[in-house]
Amino acid sequence: NAGVTQTPKFRILKIGQSMTLQCTQDMNHNYMYWYRQDPGMGLKLIYYSVGAGITDKGEVPNGYNVSRSTTEDFPLRLELAAPSQTSVYFCASSYPQGGGAITYEQYFGPGTRLTVT
Amino acid sequence: RKEVEQDPGPFNVPEGATVAFNCTYSNSASQSFFWYRQDCRKEPKLLMSVYSSGNEDGRFTAQLNRASQYISLLIRDSKLSDSATYLCVVNMWTGGFKTIFGAGTRLFVKA
Repeated sequence: NAGVTQTPKFRILKIGQSMTLQCTQDMNHNYMYWYRQDPGMGLKLIYYSVGAGITDKGEVPNGYNVSRSTTEDFPLRLELAAPSQTSVYFCASSYPQGGGAITYEQYFGPGTRLTVT
Repeated sequence: RKEVEQDPGPFNVPEGATVAFNCTYSNSASQSFFWYRQDCRKEPKLLMSVYSSGNEDGRFTAQLNRASQYISLLIRDSKLSDSATYLCVVNMWTGGFKTIFGAGTRLFVKA
């Protein structure tokens, strides 16, 4: 299994440009998540999904959109990129054993380093 | 006040030392607790879950104190390879799923 894969690894965007960060997992996990991590800070949840067709906002959703058309893929869309979106973006997945995403290990992808200038 | 707080460190310890990290959380609705390890410029990886009864995995021991709302991680016989940032994570369901990561505690183990 490849686990959680993310593309691209690095990207530089100009202010106002848009892009999609790709995330794929091959573990058949129901739950998927997008986080951002700013230097010296903890991860902040942007959006999460409990299954195909179901998504919900996390702590910092503004400026982002997601979709979940399949179990495997959970792309994150940035519209009108701003310098405040310069960060490292991590995608993660987990499998709820017994109900809920509350208790279960999240598996992370290697991250996408995004710079907006 | 941050929902999850950790001492940022860094903790600089010699090989073989015992080191302890604490993490406090503010929301009593918190339901599950974890320690993750993050190496420089890498993704976080689960180190261990934290249970009320306490749990141990080799040189690592985690404890949860719900009354005082803190969790701890003890590392015994530190190795050079333990050098990393240790993230405290708290999950809860408050009308929606919420997961809060602490900012992390940096550990440097020196020879």
